Amino acid sequence: GAVVSQHPSWVICKSGTSVKIECRSLDFQATTMFWYRQFPKQSLMLMATSNEGSKATYEQGVEKDKFLINHASLTLSTLTVTSAHPEDSSFYICSAGPQGEVSYEQYFGPGTRLTVT
Amino acid sequence: GEDVEQSLFLSVREGDSSVINCTYTDSSSTYLYWYKQEPGAGLQLLTYIFSNMDMKQDQRLTVLLNKKDKHLSLRIADTQTGDSAIYFCAESIRRDDKIIFGKGTRLHILP
Repeated sequence: GAVVSQHPSWVICKSGTSVKIECRSLDFQATTMFWYRQFPKQSLMLMATSNEGSKATYEQGVEKDKFLINHASLTLSTLTVTSAHPEDSSFYICSAGPQGEVSYEQYFGPGTRLTVT
Repeated sequence: GEDVEQSLFLSVREGDSSVINCTYTDSSSTYLYWYKQEPGAGLQLLTYIFSNMDMKQDQRLTVLLNKKDKHLSLRIADTQTGDSAIYFCAESIRRDDKIIFGKGTRLHILP
């Protein structure tokens, strides 16, 4: 099946710094990718929809200036957590569906665990 | 708005069947999914069902959909220790649309 990768798989950063997380579709193109956040022992919460070549669409309550999303190509979306604080520590997961395919499935990346100290 | 509800915990003896239930609110949901997440791992799509189906069986997995009641269930036959995980019910309107997840049901297997 299609593969979505994320980099890094885990990162520790100091409070106040920025962290960039990459999401790549390895063997397919995706005009749309999704970013989710998962707190420990909780569900995935959709943060934003990343649209290639245009601005991301953020869910209600998600700060767009804090979580910067760039979808520069059909295979890469990046999420930058700016001025990170300990409460931003979480598991961030992206997903994408193959462009143009008649398929039910979106493919999820393995996730990136962010710890802000 | 969209909402997906499911119970948080389920304990089942090894060899018995597990039934995980889920309800959703969006009547326009077209795709209904069950995902599995093992500790420290990513999401694995277990199975899915279209809203125009009532039932789908795939080896040990049986999905039942009651569209009138917006109720979805996942039955795992002959539950094994390897089935211990968190199971997420999820829905979307279109294949390429955002997926709304329930809070997940933690399945615990008793020896």
